[in-house]
Amino acid sequence: DILLTQSPAILSVSPGERVSFSCRASQNIGTSIHWYQQRTNGSPRLLIKFASESISGIPSRFSGSGSGTDFTLSVNSVESEDIADYYCQQNYSWPYTFGGGTKLEIK
Amino acid sequence: QVQLQQSGAELMKPGASVKISCKATGYSFSSYWIEWVKQRPGHGLEWIGEILPGSDNANYNEKFKGKATFTADKSSNTAYMHLSSLTSEDSAVYYCARGAWFAFWGQGTLVTVSA
Repeated sequence: DILLTQSPAILSVSPGERVSFSCRASQNIGTSIHWYQQRTNGSPRLLIKFASESISGIPSRFSGSGSGTDFTLSVNSVESEDIADYYCQQNYSWPYTFGGGTKLEIK
Repeated sequence: QVQLQQSGAELMKPGASVKISCKATGYSFSSYWIEWVKQRPGHGLEWIGEILPGSDNANYNEKFKGKATFTADKSSNTAYMHLSSLTSEDSAVYYCARGAWFAFWGQGTLVTVSA
């Protein structure tokens, strides 16, 4: 199985700052990585697909980059509504797997 | 608009079975895989498997083979996941989602297994 390691477990930033989430795959997965946001008591929401492709309806402050084994989700100018857990997920091979998540806190 | 509407919360006894439904609207049901995901507190998100309603092809995470079984009813645009021989380890929120990059999600179904 492909292991996705997200770091750090918790990120604490002030409103307006830029934040980056890291996701590392245990093997080369090209760009078959997707990012999700999950707010408290909510369902996950797709933010970015295939490492860097934007999703309709998602604010432009969310962007993704990376290929191979190292991937990054960036949020420009964090807002209070961005408080959530963030997960990466690969569909390069079965079984699809998720990273353990990073919790975003606002100072 | 695309929507996935899941069935309500279930309280089950150990050893019982449960069937969760996921009704799809707003798109061609047969054209997209339906994914199933498990979430327990402290355990993150786990992919259970997927089914393609148009063909009934399914892929299962080895970890859930024998536990989960997927079906789909094209006449009602509804996908189902049957969970058997429930234990406390099966207590979780279960989600359905559309497509291999999970573009749309249901609201989740809480399954609680307790004597």
